[in-house]
Amino acid sequence: GDSVTQMEGPVTLSEEAFLTINCTYTATGYPSLFWYVQYPGEGLQLLLKATKADDKGSNKGFEATYRKETTSFHLEKGSVQVSDSAVYFCALRRSGGGADGLTFGKGTHLIIQP
Amino acid sequence: SQTIHQWPATLVQPVGSPLSLECTVEGTSNPNLYWYRQAAGRGLQLLFYSVGIGQISSEVPQNLSASRPQDRQFILSSKKLLLSDSGFYLCAWSLGVTGELFFGEGSRLTVL
Repeated sequence: GDSVTQMEGPVTLSEEAFLTINCTYTATGYPSLFWYVQYPGEGLQLLLKATKADDKGSNKGFEATYRKETTSFHLEKGSVQVSDSAVYFCALRRSGGGADGLTFGKGTHLIIQP
Repeated sequence: SQTIHQWPATLVQPVGSPLSLECTVEGTSNPNLYWYRQAAGRGLQLLFYSVGIGQISSEVPQNLSASRPQDRQFILSSKKLLLSDSGFYLCAWSLGVTGELFFGEGSRLTVL
């Protein structure tokens, strides 16, 4: 079946550092790929998405590129802020869609220190 | 615009008591609806999903049940809670079977 693998962390960085959170997936065809962010005590918010190979999703300084050849969707940000501290989830929706929603990774806890 | 609401936000219940969590979506029609559970330090587990009124699919056999009495209402229930039911419960919706899910604020359940 489909699966998503991401580093669990915690990942601890200093403010203004460069961020990479790796995400790889296993799925047939061309799934849609997503990054969600969860702040403490809250639900998940969609951060960005990409629906086909070589698409780049971007939002709030975060970027991720859909790489079919490496089955990856790594999240990057050039300069992180303390307010970026949260849990980040990589997810996919299988090719052609599915009523059963998204397959999620286990989440990466990011801590940004001032 | 579309919104999704869950309640209650926080719940502390004794073992063996019943449970009812409610979720309502506004501003759209015939959404697909989902219940996920997030246990402490773990990822998201899909519990139930629904593509229409009265249509419920269960992903994991367990102590919980779901119902969809109206198009935009999704209810998670239990007759007798277990300690292992503790967690953060998230309701979500999507339009159709492609695209992203939109999540509610979550309901934190502690079973003592």
